Amino acid sequence: QVQLVESGGGVVQPGRSLRLSCAASGFTFSSYGMHWVRQAPGKGLEWVAVIWYDGSNKYYADSVKGRFTISRDNSKNTLYLQMNSLRAEDTAVYYCARDGAFGGFNWGQGTLVTVSS
Amino acid sequence: DIQMTQSPSTLSASVGDRVTITCRASQSISSWLAWYQQKPGKAPKLLIYKASSLESGVPSRFSGSGSGTEFTLTISSLQPDDFATYYCQQYNSYSPGITFGPGTKVDIK
Repeated sequence: QVQLVESGGGVVQPGRSLRLSCAASGFTFSSYGMHWVRQAPGKGLEWVAVIWYDGSNKYYADSVKGRFTISRDNSKNTLYLQMNSLRAEDTAVYYCARDGAFGGFNWGQGTLVTVSS
Repeated sequence: DIQMTQSPSTLSASVGDRVTITCRASQSISSWLAWYQQKPGKAPKLLIYKASSLESGVPSRFSGSGSGTEFTLTISSLQPDDFATYYCQQYNSYSPGITFGPGTKVDIK
């Protein structure tokens, strides 16, 4: 059973940094691409970033490029999202998601990030 | 970037109704399309992948069809548990990026 548990969310001031983690279990973590997706309050889903199964490739949404960094530690079965220079518009629930075996995503439960002074 | 649209944005229906949601892509995505159901305060749940393949454990009243730029999600007989928001997602390419449709809220008539 795929299990993804996000942590690290909270309230942070504009311009500051935060690192999210996603602990994976129930599958061979090192065999799957992983994503971060976010959802602002009352809004739709916005893809944020992807990292290849071995960390060799990473892609980002234009809205976070240059500020956010996705990474992974396959020895710890953990995905990360380093978020710098945070803005009010980054306020959202952040989900980690695994590439489905045949397409689509399997999702964690999400962690809320609030950027506010 | 590939843009996704969905129609309608809101749909009012009754238990037992047949419901169809349409998703359109701004360019061809072959069959690289997924459908999700999301309830308030919960993570999205994968229903359909590769346009028409039913995810394991998802009731057979859900079905998907289409290819290229036009896709549909059909619920053959709406059940009380199906009142939720539905999103389509294209995963044709990770660069420039994956995109979601704006969502269709299915509520009680």
